[in-house]
Amino acid sequence: DGGITQSPKYLFRKEGQNVTLSCEQNLNHDAMYWYRQDPGQGLRLIYYSQIVNDFQKGDIAEGYSVSREKKESFPLTVTSAQKNPTAFYLCASSIDFRRETQYFGPGTRLLVL
Amino acid sequence: AQSVTQPDIHITVSEGASLELRCNYSYGATPYLFWYVQSPGQGLQLLLKYFSGDTLVQGIKGFEAEFKRSQSSFNLRKPSVHWSDAAEYFCAVGALYNTDKLIFGTGTRLQVFP
Repeated sequence: DGGITQSPKYLFRKEGQNVTLSCEQNLNHDAMYWYRQDPGQGLRLIYYSQIVNDFQKGDIAEGYSVSREKKESFPLTVTSAQKNPTAFYLCASSIDFRRETQYFGPGTRLLVL
Repeated sequence: AQSVTQPDIHITVSEGASLELRCNYSYGATPYLFWYVQSPGQGLQLLLKYFSGDTLVQGIKGFEAEFKRSQSSFNLRKPSVHWSDAAEYFCAVGALYNTDKLIFGTGTRLQVFP
């Protein structure tokens, strides 16, 4: 079955620690996205990648970093510079950036210890 | 600036009743529009989308939505709600053939009473 997988489902971060959220897709999609979701808010775009080895900042990129070394994978690192990281993180992909039907993974909930 | 408004934060309906969730948008270009549904702790599932053509769009799970350009609206409807429809619903808008990003509304939480 084609789809998007995110791991882990829950992640705990200690103060000053960097953590990495995994996102993998086997849909052969060129574009991938990371969103942050907080209660009562819509989805806010953190980073997106239109193609391998390329990515752009979204609306709330500060404190986050990404890489896109493979078409299937788009990991997100939440750095110690992100002072309020507790949120639900959603990864999505689309065939390409101009045909924006985005398909979402199941999400990762990040909690701070 | 582009924006999406979902005026109803929380809606409660009885099972079997009809449902309409409102979505209004502000967008300079020709929009394309989506409705997604999210169950608690899960990702978003696409219900339906409008790119062009017939303004009444059919989706999965018996949902439909109507694009009304004059009202800048894309309301989601279902004639008879089931208890399993309880979830959060998000409207999103983007621009076809444009590098603008998809913009999501803040969501409407639907509660269904038996």
